[in-house]
Amino acid sequence: DQQVKQNSPSLSVQEGRISILNCDYTNSMFDYFLWYKKYPAEGPTFLISISSIKDKNEDGRFTVFLNKSAKHLSLHIVPSQPGDSAVYFCAASDTGTASKLTFGTGTRLQVTL
Amino acid sequence: ETGVTQSPTHLIKTRGQQVTLRCSSQSGHNTVSWYQQALGQGPQFIFQYYREEENGRGNFPPRFSGLQFPNYSSELNVNALELDDSALYLCASSLAKGDIQYFGAGTRLSVL
Repeated sequence: DQQVKQNSPSLSVQEGRISILNCDYTNSMFDYFLWYKKYPAEGPTFLISISSIKDKNEDGRFTVFLNKSAKHLSLHIVPSQPGDSAVYFCAASDTGTASKLTFGTGTRLQVTL
Repeated sequence: ETGVTQSPTHLIKTRGQQVTLRCSSQSGHNTVSWYQQALGQGPQFIFQYYREEENGRGNFPPRFSGLQFPNYSSELNVNALELDDSALYLCASSLAKGDIQYFGAGTRLSVL
């Protein structure tokens, strides 16, 4: 049972444009959400997070939006840069258990010149 | 400040053998989590240790076991290796339970 889903395995965006990566979840106990970026031969790098008490969190070029009623979150990258090319993982946790992260299967973003 | 380090980076074992993977937490972090990432999948939670005690376990059989030491470094042990255990094993540390988890580069295990 895939509790966190990233339905787009890949996305290609031109440099300077907006990248939008999507994530859906099914477990209503999830109340904390994170995005990680992964380059080949490296571990996932924390990018940005959002608590369920908020619907938006911004950090520079990265913004995460959370729609609790739709159980959907998205990561916006504006403007996209070639160095953003990586695999992006959405992850969720239930802070009551304070332990595991449940990850999606990832979206490979390619930013082209 | 050093990040999370894992050793070895690559490992080849045969079916039925046992393996130990090691992880050094980021400085000041008392919580360590282990994940298994199969090809084309997202990381799957194996277990977490907080101050040397297991604090949560995922859907993995008992042949996956772990330890956390007083310096908060950690080991993942896998007994009776199976072909499906071939994966990238990731360790993540956090300042405390529930805090953001920071990952190492992983150990790539191949079981032949």
